Amino acid sequence: GAVVSQHPSWVICKSGTSVKIECRSLDFQATTMFWYRQFPKQSLMLMATSNEGSKATYEQGVEKDKFLINHASLTLSTLTVTSAHPEDSSFYICSARDDSSLGYEQYFGPGTRLTVT
Amino acid sequence: AQSVTQLDSHVSVSEGTPVLLRCNYSSSYSPSLFWYVQHPNKGLQLLLKYTSAATLVKGINGFEAEFKKSETSFHLTKPSAHMSDAAEYFCAGRGSARQLTFGSGTQLTVLP
Repeated sequence: GAVVSQHPSWVICKSGTSVKIECRSLDFQATTMFWYRQFPKQSLMLMATSNEGSKATYEQGVEKDKFLINHASLTLSTLTVTSAHPEDSSFYICSARDDSSLGYEQYFGPGTRLTVT
Repeated sequence: AQSVTQLDSHVSVSEGTPVLLRCNYSSSYSPSLFWYVQHPNKGLQLLLKYTSAATLVKGINGFEAEFKKSETSFHLTKPSAHMSDAAEYFCAGRGSARQLTFGSGTQLTVLP
C-alpha cells in the first residue's frame, strides 16, 4: 500500500524557536496533503489543506502565520511551527491524498510528537 | 454538512468476546465512511471503508462494519477480541469536499 512518512517522529524545542516537520508521499504523487493536530485523548483536528504549487487553506481558528505550510512538490509538504510555545506541544499528523486512485484514498503518516519546553 | 458521532468514548471487553464500537453519521447525501485504528504515538491505520458498494464491509484483522442507512449508522464489530486490538478507534466520513471528518474516538480496552 501507499506510504506516507514524517520527519522527525519526535522533537523537543525551546520556547520561541521554530520547528519544521516534513511529510512525504513515498510511492505516489499527492496534489493535496492535510495537516492534523491531535491533543492527548482527543480526535484529529484538521489544521489546513496543503495544495501543491498554491497557498494552503487553513481551517477557522488556525493561525496561518504561526503554522507555515509549504507544498513545493508533489511528494513533499512541510509544516513549520514558528515561535513555538508550550501550548503548541501536540501530536501532528499529516495525510496525503492519492488523486490517481479511484476513491481519492487518503494515507496517513506516523505522526510527529512536538514538545515545547 | 458532514459529521460523525462516536457514541462511546471508552469500551472494555474481555479477550475472546465480541467487540462493538458505535458510529453514527449525519449527511445530506450518501457519504464514504471509514474506520481507523491508532496505537499509542502512532499514525492512523485504515481498518475498512464503505463507498456505496456492499453495505457489509470486511476489513483487516477480523473487523467488519455494516452501513445502515435507515439508522444512519456504521458500527464496527469483531467476533472475538484479541489483546492486540487494544487501541483508539476513529470513525470518519467524507463528503463532497473530499475531506475526512473524524469522530471523537473510542478507546478500546481488552481485558485478559
